[in-house]
Amino acid sequence: QVQLQESGPGLVKPSETLSLTCTVSGDSISSHNWSWIRQPAGKGLEWIGRIYTSGSTNYNPSLKSRVTMSVDTSKNQLSLKLSSVTAADTAMYYCARGSGWLPDWGQGTLVTVSS
Amino acid sequence: EIVLTQSPGTLSLSPGERATLSCRASQSVTSSYLAWYQQKPGQAPRLLIYAASSRATGIPDRFSGSGSGTDFTLTISRLEPEDFAVYYCQQYGSSPLTFGGGTKVEIK
Repeated sequence: QVQLQESGPGLVKPSETLSLTCTVSGDSISSHNWSWIRQPAGKGLEWIGRIYTSGSTNYNPSLKSRVTMSVDTSKNQLSLKLSSVTAADTAMYYCARGSGWLPDWGQGTLVTVSS
Repeated sequence: EIVLTQSPGTLSLSPGERATLSCRASQSVTSSYLAWYQQKPGQAPRLLIYAASSRATGIPDRFSGSGSGTDFTLTISRLEPEDFAVYYCQQYGSSPLTFGGGTKVEIK
């Protein structure tokens, strides 16, 4: 079964760029579409965007101007970049397999935006 | 953007009881592209149901989904101790994908 593991800095300063990686094991990253989702502490889930096997992307309009997603097939990794972060971007960030329903999720990585 | 409203916000029930969770969409969900997830504290969401009524791999048959258009329901036929958690619906029929605000099923 596919396994996903998010990683990246746990603390990011305001106005800087948040950069996360999701390492996929147990399957080829090229075989599936992938999504990123976030969840502020004690709150609900927000879809950030998805990347297809073709490399094309689809982002949430609320974040579109600040988000970049990509895939590194040589490392079997996804990446997420979110620029110009503020405290409102503090959340648990998840990567997940799929572009519609999401059958497999990573355990998440907590990112705090603070100076 | 399709807004999903889940009700009730909290459901207080005892083990063995039946749980009925509602998810209402602000507009019709294309092709019943609706999923349900369970989330326990400190864990990632787990997919239970997709396409409104199809159980995901390994999900017990006490979990069932139904509905179409704008009204969807997740039913847990007999609550087990491990079922007390927060449940989210999600639509994937149109972009952006959206989630409901969640229903917490707690022990009465």
